Amino acid sequence: AQKVTQAQTEISVVEKEDVTLDCVYETRDTTYYLFWYKQPPSGELVFLIRRNSFDEQNEISGRYSWNFQKSTSSFNFTITASQVVDSAVYFCALLSIQGAQKLVFGQGTRLTINP
Amino acid sequence: DTAVSQTPKYLVTQMGNDKSIKCEQNLGHDTMYWYKQDSKKFLKIMFSYNNKELIINETVPNRFSPKSPDKAHLNLHINSLELGDSAVYFCASSYQDIGYEQYFGPGTRLTVT
Repeated sequence: AQKVTQAQTEISVVEKEDVTLDCVYETRDTTYYLFWYKQPPSGELVFLIRRNSFDEQNEISGRYSWNFQKSTSSFNFTITASQVVDSAVYFCALLSIQGAQKLVFGQGTRLTINP
Repeated sequence: DTAVSQTPKYLVTQMGNDKSIKCEQNLGHDTMYWYKQDSKKFLKIMFSYNNKELIINETVPNRFSPKSPDKAHLNLHINSLELGDSAVYFCASSYQDIGYEQYFGPGTRLTVT
């Protein structure tokens, strides 16, 4: 079975702090894909990143960075120098071949950046 | 240009009614999906279609019936609405090859009274 756990339900930090959102996944597949999505207060779901199971390179995009570690089945997301506009619910998701292309989402982490 | 669009954005209706939500994508994707997001923000897939063919059908009451007239459209029809159907419904699309990211529509907030 495929499962994604985001243990942090809510995080609140002050602007300019760095913050890491944790994501732990479970799958028996050797080929799978991991995603992060952002859901701002306006409600839409915005795609942030995709990673496949064969590529463990960390990725940086501006203030965003992702750390993928197969050894711990984790795909964590760090925001550096957070801004109020980063306030949103962030979802980690897993898609595996045996999962019939069903995107399985974690419970989401509500991130609040206070000015 | 809107990539994945849904109408309506808000839908308020009474129990027992039948309603439809429409979805269209202009990304040239082959696969479309319906997801349900409950009040706790939990997102779960309901259906997926690939080139008008049903691929995924989760354990959803048969009051919910998706219809795909062509690969750019996937509509969701709900019969005999119940209070528990109140949620935000998201349409999404992607290329058919496994692993491609899914792009989501803006969501339809359904409230059943």
